[in-house]
Amino acid sequence: DAKTTQPTSMDCAEGRAANLPCNHSTISGNEYVYWYRQIHSQGPQYIIHGLKNNETNEMASLIITEDRKSSTLILPHATLRDTAVYYCIVRDGGATNKLIFGTGTLLAVQP
Amino acid sequence: DTAVSQTPKYLVTQMGNDKSIKCEQNLGHDTMYWYKQDSKKFLKIMFSYNNKELIINETVPNRFSPKSPDKAHLNLHINSLELGDSAVYFCASSQDYGGEAFFGQGTRLTVV
Repeated sequence: DAKTTQPTSMDCAEGRAANLPCNHSTISGNEYVYWYRQIHSQGPQYIIHGLKNNETNEMASLIITEDRKSSTLILPHATLRDTAVYYCIVRDGGATNKLIFGTGTLLAVQP
Repeated sequence: DTAVSQTPKYLVTQMGNDKSIKCEQNLGHDTMYWYKQDSKKFLKIMFSYNNKELIINETVPNRFSPKSPDKAHLNLHINSLELGDSAVYFCASSQDYGGEAFFGQGTRLTVV
């Protein structure tokens, strides 16, 4: 079962920052927070992941709270092509650390 | 070049038939996966292979049999297809456990 809770859907205006929240209150010390997205009719796409520190790459930023019980994915300047389902996943580093997808957040970027 | 490629993209077949879906990755990854996405859009892992060895086998009917002839390929064979097998099947790969996974474009299987 997924260990995360996300809102079912969110809207964002094109050009604005999209802030997608995720709760993972039962996260343990060796578990990472991963974000993937799935654009309609495509395979999931990796975005970013982190353990404790905030992370940034060319796609997004990941802000993890100090207690690690929640995180926020930030798309700094959302475009129409960012409309997708965004999945927040908690994953450990063990030998069977499979990705368990929850229901995700449908982000709709509006023109 | 496509990193993870699946064939076919669409597959329509009758109940009771046997079919295969092929997956190839050109990333040099050691780990490959099969996921199933049902009509409610839930993505669930089915199998995971690492260096051609089965690592994860979720509660999947025996009619589903993955086969990994080499590290770059993980094919999914399905016997005696049922209506409930209709779904989109995604293949994925990662360098090792914990690494980012790259997914194929999916195979939409429709059983009639």
